[in-house]
Amino acid sequence: KQEVTQIPAALSVPEGENLVLNCSFTDSAIYNLQWFRQDPGKGLTSLLLIQSSQREQTSGRLNASLDKSSGRSTLYIAASQPGDSATYLCAVPSGGYNKLIFGAGTRLAVHP
Amino acid sequence: NAGVMQNPRHLVRRRGQEARLRCSPMKGHSHVYWYRQLPEEGLKFMVYLQKENIIDESGMPKERFSAEFPKEGPSILRIQQVVRGDSAAYFCASSPSTDRVNTEAFFGQGTRLTVV
Repeated sequence: KQEVTQIPAALSVPEGENLVLNCSFTDSAIYNLQWFRQDPGKGLTSLLLIQSSQREQTSGRLNASLDKSSGRSTLYIAASQPGDSATYLCAVPSGGYNKLIFGAGTRLAVHP
Repeated sequence: NAGVMQNPRHLVRRRGQEARLRCSPMKGHSHVYWYRQLPEEGLKFMVYLQKENIIDESGMPKERFSAEFPKEGPSILRIQQVVRGDSAAYFCASSPSTDRVNTEAFFGQGTRLTVV
């Protein structure tokens, strides 16, 4: 049974810091991994999707890496800004379709 | 291309009433997934539907909950005789295909159900 864990659960940093958020999964037979952002009281915004054949994916100040063999993914946020404050979720599909198993998330606060 | 549309955004029901949550997938998407996020908990899969078919309902409570995705119209998640423990945010996601490798899930803004 696939389980997804995210560390740390919460993070508070000053503006400008570079951050690393961690995601681990127990079953390495995944087809992709997706990172989302969730703002309080809002829906999920897809940030990055990494296919199983890829090692990393970049979008602006975000860089996500994937190491299937060790069951890990990291989301790197460069030069953090207060607008980055949100909960970050990682998820992997299960069951042969896009049924996503989510981690509990990392709650990020970037203060000016 | 409009995103995944969910309505209502907020729903208040008294214990014992019925709640109906609607989800219109993105244009061209025929796969719909419902998730529930209980307060201070992560998102949990409930049910996966294609047009007129329930494919996987392994995450749905056996009683009081049902889902449908008719040929025409939105997908509906129905909760009968709501209880306080049903208070949660319910999210819908859609995807264009079951291509495992390169399918991105797009989420709606959610419906926040409060049972009083």
